[in-house]
Amino acid sequence: DGGITQSPKYLFRKEGQNVTLSCEQNLNHDAMYWYRQDPGQGLRLIYYSQIVNDFQKGDIAEGYSVSREKKESFPLTVTSAQKNPTAFYLCASSIGGRITEAFFGQGTRLTVV
Amino acid sequence: AQSVTQLDSHVSVSEGTPVLLRCNYSSSYSPSLFWYVQHPNKGLQLLLKYTSAATLVKGINGFEAEFKKSETSFHLTKPSAHMSDAAEYFCVVSRTANQAGTALIFGKGTTLSVSS
Repeated sequence: DGGITQSPKYLFRKEGQNVTLSCEQNLNHDAMYWYRQDPGQGLRLIYYSQIVNDFQKGDIAEGYSVSREKKESFPLTVTSAQKNPTAFYLCASSIGGRITEAFFGQGTRLTVV
Repeated sequence: AQSVTQLDSHVSVSEGTPVLLRCNYSSSYSPSLFWYVQHPNKGLQLLLKYTSAATLVKGINGFEAEFKKSETSFHLTKPSAHMSDAAEYFCVVSRTANQAGTALIFGKGTTLSVSS
């Protein structure tokens, strides 16, 4: 079945550590996105990529990094510079161009311990 | 710049009664608008979308929404609520073509509670 797979579902991080969240899609979509969700805040865009080997900062990119070496994969690294990383992270993809619909993964809940 | 405002953070209805979730948008041109639903600790599922075709849009699970340009609204409705409709709902607008990126802009969400 086509879709977006995020792993792990739950992730715990000690303060000062970097962690990487995985996002893989087999929909053959050009564009991929990372969103952060906090209670009462809706979803906020962290990074997006419209094509392989290219990505752009979203609204809240500080403390995060990404790579897009393959069309299918768009991993997100939460660095120690992110002051408040505890949140629910959602990856999405779309065909590209003028967006008409995004497909979402099931999310990764990151908790700093 | 585009923006979207969901007018209610929480809506409570009884099973079998109508559902109305309100959304206003701001856009300098004719936008694409969406409603997504999220069940607890899950990803988001598309309910319906408006992309400049018919102004009354029908979606999954009996939901529909009407695009009203004069009121800059895109309210979500359902004639009869079911217990399984309890979830969080997001109104979403596409960014302008000349803005960097093609990502979506989300409202803050409306939590729908359904009582028996």
